[in-house]
Amino acid sequence: AQSVTQLDSHVSVSEGTPVLLRCNYSSSYSPSLFWYVQHPNKGLQLLLKYTSAATLVKGINGFEAEFKKSETSFHLTKPSAHMSDAAEYFCVVSLNDYKLSFGAGTTVTVRA
Amino acid sequence: DTAVSQTPKYLVTQMGNDKSIKCEQNLGHDTMYWYKQDSKKFLKIMFSYNNKELIINETVPNRFSPKSPDKAHLNLHINSLELGDSAVYFCASSRNDRGTAFFGQGTRLTVV
Repeated sequence: AQSVTQLDSHVSVSEGTPVLLRCNYSSSYSPSLFWYVQHPNKGLQLLLKYTSAATLVKGINGFEAEFKKSETSFHLTKPSAHMSDAAEYFCVVSLNDYKLSFGAGTTVTVRA
Repeated sequence: DTAVSQTPKYLVTQMGNDKSIKCEQNLGHDTMYWYKQDSKKFLKIMFSYNNKELIINETVPNRFSPKSPDKAHLNLHINSLELGDSAVYFCASSRNDRGTAFFGQGTRLTVV
């Protein structure tokens, strides 16, 4: 079985400050891990993915995530938040079994 | 060019009606999916198809019937619509069970 826990339902940051979105997973096997972003009334866009190569993964728009097997974590970070980063973020696990398991999502708001 | 396109984007209908949502991908992928996003933004797999064959049916009511006429299309037909079917439905595709999933823009279904 696999599951994904996003530890924060809502994160609020000031523009220009770092963003940290936390994600823990449980899996009996080596999973593929993703972060997707959903802007209001939009579809889901892939930010980055981990597939057992480098543990530090760089994505689009300045985001990166680090895979830590010992902690079963895949936290997403960005050094400096921009107003356009306000959105819903989903941590996603795949066991390569024709389905993705989504976390509950983290809503990011960015204060001017 | 849109990679995964769904129509319609919005659908408002009365209880008891039958409706369809169409999905097409031009990425040459073998695998297609339907996901449901509820009012709390939680995303859950409904169906997965690989090379037009059903792989996953995730305890979805029989009123929901997917149809894949070819690898590029996966349509969703819903009979006898109920209030609880109101949600956003996302189509997605990937190269295979290991590939990154690309999502459509979603169809917001409202049953009144």
